Amino acid sequence: DAGVTQSPTHLIKTRGQQVTLRCSPKSGHDTVSWYQQALGQGPQFIFQYYEEEERQRGNFPDRFSGHQFPNYSSELNVNALLLGDSALYLCASSTPGQGGDTQYFGPGTRLTVL
Amino acid sequence: AQSVAQPEDQVNVAEGNPLTVKCTYSVSGNPYLFWYVQYPNRGLQFLLKYITGDNLVKGSYGFEAEFNKSQTSFHLKKPSALVSDSALYFCAVRPYNTNAGKSTFGDGTTLTVKP
Repeated sequence: DAGVTQSPTHLIKTRGQQVTLRCSPKSGHDTVSWYQQALGQGPQFIFQYYEEEERQRGNFPDRFSGHQFPNYSSELNVNALLLGDSALYLCASSTPGQGGDTQYFGPGTRLTVL
Repeated sequence: AQSVAQPEDQVNVAEGNPLTVKCTYSVSGNPYLFWYVQYPNRGLQFLLKYITGDNLVKGSYGFEAEFNKSQTSFHLKKPSALVSDSALYFCAVRPYNTNAGKSTFGDGTTLTVKP
C-alpha cells in the first residue's frame, strides 16, 4: 500500500519564477492538504482540496494556488516566488466522514528560492 | 484562535530512561490532539491521537500521551527511550469534530537520546 508521494524531492528557483509541486495521496484517501514548513518551525496550513475544490484555506496569499484531479492527486502552484517561500512543502492526505480523521504526510518537497 | 505550545526546543535523555515531551494547547471547545515525529529530510509520521475517551492514549513505537483537560496539556511519554527515538516531535490540535485542515502545529521539540 503506497503512502503519500510527492515530487520533486528538491527544487531550486529564482525570485519571480513560478513552481508546481505534485502530490499523490495514500490509497483510499480523497482529501489533500498542503503545508509549508519553514526551517525551525511547525507546518503551516496552506489549503485543502476535496472533490476537486478548495475547501479550506490558511493565511497565504493568492500567489499560492492549487488543483485536485479526479484521481485525487493534487498540485500546488506558487507564482512570483519570493525568498521567503523557501521551505519544505508537505502534502498530507486523509479521508473525511469519521471523527478525528488522521492526516498522513508525504516526504515533502524542499524548495529553495535564490 | 487555536494554538499549540511546545515549551522545550530540545529534550535530552539517556537511553533506557523515561522521556517526556511537553505540549499545551488552546482551542475553543473540546480538542482533537495529535503527535507526529519527523526524521531528517522526511515528512511527518503519525504517532498517536486523542479524540475522546480514555485520557491515556497509546500509539506507535511504545509511545503514549496523557490528555489533561484542566491543564490543557497533552504530553508525550515513553517508559524507556531508545537512541532511535531521536527525532523532531510535533504536537497538533484542532477543534472537536472539525476536519484535518483545521490543524495547528507547534514548533516542534528535538529529542536526543544518548547511549
